[in-house]
Amino acid sequence: QKEVEQDPGPLSVPEGAIVSLNCTYSNSAFQYFMWYRQYSRKGPELLMYTYSSGNKEDGRFTAQVDKSSKYISLFIRDSQPSDSATYLCAMSAGNFNKFYFGSGTKLNVKP
Amino acid sequence: GAGVSQSPRYKVAKRGQDVALRCDPISGHVSLFWYQQALGQGPEFLTYFQNEAQLDKSGLPSDRFFAERPEGSVSTLKIQRTQQEDSAVYLCASSSGAVVSDGYTFGSGTRLTVV
Repeated sequence: QKEVEQDPGPLSVPEGAIVSLNCTYSNSAFQYFMWYRQYSRKGPELLMYTYSSGNKEDGRFTAQVDKSSKYISLFIRDSQPSDSATYLCAMSAGNFNKFYFGSGTKLNVKP
Repeated sequence: GAGVSQSPRYKVAKRGQDVALRCDPISGHVSLFWYQQALGQGPEFLTYFQNEAQLDKSGLPSDRFFAERPEGSVSTLKIQRTQQEDSAVYLCASSSGAVVSDGYTFGSGTRLTVV
């Protein structure tokens, strides 16, 4: 079993929809949680960072961490066609120099 | 530079050939990472440098993989006697290491195809 599980999708939604992306994990030592966005043939770029449990909001993006359930989420409000990309969750234990990534969820926002 | 630069962008190697992949991190970033991303998968950790010291190489899949960063700046990932299972995108990332929330800055990767 992989340490981080993520539904690969693809997920197709109409423009303006609310998108929910999720990851589960097995290692209770994970404390640092990140969401990256990856466009085709590009490297991942950091979207959101959360430490331990709780919520964090940045513009149209909200990240949630539920450590008791080992479950993290990324919500995108008012989704745009430019949000079409693969979204990767990543997490790390105390040593944040080694991150474990999910396999990515491919999102397509239709105009 | 403004971002992490990787070269070449694409590399086709015949099975058994040696390859060298280069990474130029963001100037001043002390931490440098190599990840391997297979098709349809997330990046998997290979190795980590702090300046010139290789502090973690636990992700290197075999002794055919070797990474170096001799002057604490540019890094090279070398793969000897390439095999088909080595075909993947190799991503380099750098970090200042000062602020966790800054995360990594990734390059666009080198896509290696072994034929």
